[in-house]
Amino acid sequence: DQQVKQNSPSLSVQEGRISILNCDYTNSMFDYFLWYKKYPAEGPTFLISISSIKDKNEDGRFTVFLNKSAKHLSLHIVPSQPGDSAVYFCAVAGGTSYGKLTFGQGTILTVHP
Amino acid sequence: EPEVTQTPSHQVTQMGQEVILRCVPISNHLYFYWYRQILGQKVEFLVSFYNNEISEKSEIFDDQFSVERPDGSNFTLKIRSTKLEDSAMYFCASQELGIQETQYFGPGTRLLVL
Repeated sequence: DQQVKQNSPSLSVQEGRISILNCDYTNSMFDYFLWYKKYPAEGPTFLISISSIKDKNEDGRFTVFLNKSAKHLSLHIVPSQPGDSAVYFCAVAGGTSYGKLTFGQGTILTVHP
Repeated sequence: EPEVTQTPSHQVTQMGQEVILRCVPISNHLYFYWYRQILGQKVEFLVSFYNNEISEKSEIFDDQFSVERPDGSNFTLKIRSTKLEDSAMYFCASQELGIQETQYFGPGTRLLVL
């Protein structure tokens, strides 16, 4: 299932700098997009979401950008903190499925002090 | 802050045995989900449940799997005859109203089938 792809398995960033995580999807019918953060042996924790009628949503240090024409989603974390180190998953909903989330493979973010 | 809880946190079972994984969703939520993550792979959708019936299920969710909400609070996933390939983390999620609402996940149950 390649409907949602996170092409970077890992990202390393210095504390205080910007972290940019990317996600591509294939189905233009998806209409709700989310980012989750996950620590080992824990469940995914919701971070931020955006619906297809918007192109940007901001919550504190986290901003999600949606480019519908490119079918591309990104998460910006500014400034990055060591506590942000985790696996980040993008997830999409909509299309012919009601409620079901389709996840990307995840990107391991490491923020160095 | 309300949260989704899951029990047990770990379960080890023999191949062919039945297991029941339990979840207590957030109390005012109406939509419930099970997902799983095999080690090193994506989080995969298994099933969604609304109004006491399955809304959607994936091809993974075959006749060996069943879900129910027996008492209005618990939401369970039963695997009738476990296989080695059922070893995974199983996550329950709940959602208040439905589409374009956030799903909140529990901490997961790690199932190991020997």
